[in-house]
Amino acid sequence: GNSVTQMEGPVTLSEEAFLTINCTYTATGYPSLFWYVQYPGEGLQLLLKATKADDKGSNKGFEATYRKETTSFHLEKGSVQVSDSAVYFCALSDADSNYQLIWGAGTKLIIKP
Amino acid sequence: SAVISQKPSRDICQRGTSLTIQCQVDSQVTMMFWYRQQPGQSLTLIATANQGSEATYESGFVIDKFPISRPNLTFSTLTVSNMSPEDSSIYLCSVEEAGQDVANEQFFGPGTRLTVL
Repeated sequence: GNSVTQMEGPVTLSEEAFLTINCTYTATGYPSLFWYVQYPGEGLQLLLKATKADDKGSNKGFEATYRKETTSFHLEKGSVQVSDSAVYFCALSDADSNYQLIWGAGTKLIIKP
Repeated sequence: SAVISQKPSRDICQRGTSLTIQCQVDSQVTMMFWYRQQPGQSLTLIATANQGSEATYESGFVIDKFPISRPNLTFSTLTVSNMSPEDSSIYLCSVEEAGQDVANEQFFGPGTRLTVL
C-alpha cells in the first residue's frame, strides 16, 4: 500500500540556516504530493503541493520538487526564521487510496534565534 | 479556500461521559473528514462524512464509539462516546475542495483538544 516516510525530528536549526526535511513515498500510481504545516496550538495548513513529476511547489520561501526517480518530495528553505518553528507533515493522495491523504509521521522543526 | 470552525476548542471531561464536537464550514462541501491526532503523533483518519449518507469509518473506529452526523453541506458533528483517558487527543475536521488540477486539497479546522480524566 501507499506510504510516506519523513525524517525524524526534532530538527533544530539556527535562524537563517538552510533547511531540508526529507520525505520519500511509496505508491503504485502517480500520486499528488503535499506539505502541510501545523504551528503551535493551531490546525494544519496546506503549505505547498505538486501533482506530477518534476513539478515544484513553493510558498512562503519553502520549496519542494516532485522527484519520481527517487520517489521523494523534500522540503527546503534557504533561510529559516524563528516563526517557521512548527511541525511539518508530508502527505500523498492518489487513486489507490481513494484520494484520501496518506500522512507521514511529521517532523518538528525548532528554530533558535 | 474554505474557512472551518470547530467547537469547543478544548475540553476536559470525566471518563464515561460523551462529548460532541461541532464543525462548521463557510461554504458547501461534499466531503468532510474527522481525524484524531494523539500527542506528538501524525493524523489518523476516523471517518469520512458525506451529506446524505452514512459515515464511512476506518479500521479501528466504530460508529457506536464515534457517531457522526452530517445534516447538511456546511456542518458535521463527531461524538466521542463513553470516554476513557485513551481518547485524550486533538480531534480535527477537514473538508475537501476540488482543486484546479487532480490534487483535491483538504483544509482543516483549528482542532478540538480533548483531555479525559
